[in-house]
Amino acid sequence: QKEVEQNSGPLSVPEGAIASLNCTYSDRGSQSFFWYRQYSGKSPELIMFIYSNGDKEDGRFTAQLNKASQYVSLLIRDSQPSDSATYLCAVRGSSASKIIFGSGTRLSIRP
Amino acid sequence: EAGVAQSPRYKIIEKRQSVAFWCNPISGHATLYWYQQILGQGPKLLIQFQNNGVVDDSQLPKDRFSAERLKGVDSTLKIQPAKLEDSAVYLCASSSRTGGSRTDTQYFGPGTRLTVL
Repeated sequence: QKEVEQNSGPLSVPEGAIASLNCTYSDRGSQSFFWYRQYSGKSPELIMFIYSNGDKEDGRFTAQLNKASQYVSLLIRDSQPSDSATYLCAVRGSSASKIIFGSGTRLSIRP
Repeated sequence: EAGVAQSPRYKIIEKRQSVAFWCNPISGHATLYWYQQILGQGPKLLIQFQNNGVVDDSQLPKDRFSAERLKGVDSTLKIQPAKLEDSAVYLCASSSRTGGSRTDTQYFGPGTRLTVL
């Protein structure tokens, strides 16, 4: 079992709809969770992080964390073509220091 | 605030040659990370420094890879000799805290794309 798992996609969503990206992790003691966006040929860019159960909203983005289910998700409202990218889920485990990345979900917003 | 700087941006070498990458973190950031990202995969941590000390190098292939951060600021990652499977993007990231805080976030440089022929 991979430490951080994501569906590789591609996930195709019509413009203006909600895109839902999911991530599961294996370390039950994981402390914090990050979502990065990576455009093709570019480096990862932090979108947001979450460390408490529940929802955290930032503009069109909402991160959701359920530690009991070891599940974290990212919702993108009013999806735009510029949101087309690979979204990386990253998890800081119980060891506190090390961050493990998933392999990413490729999102495509179709006009 | 200037971001994480890396050079070179691209490098093409033949197998068994050596190569070095340079990274300058965001000013004041104590923690520096080197990642390897193979096409289609997420970044894999190679080594983490806190100031000039190594925190984690468990996934660094030490027979061919080495890294240093002598003055606790910029860092160099070296591969000698390179293999075909080393073809990847090498990302440097930095964070302001010690790396153990749950809110500590990493900021990435533009990366160096290495092609080994």
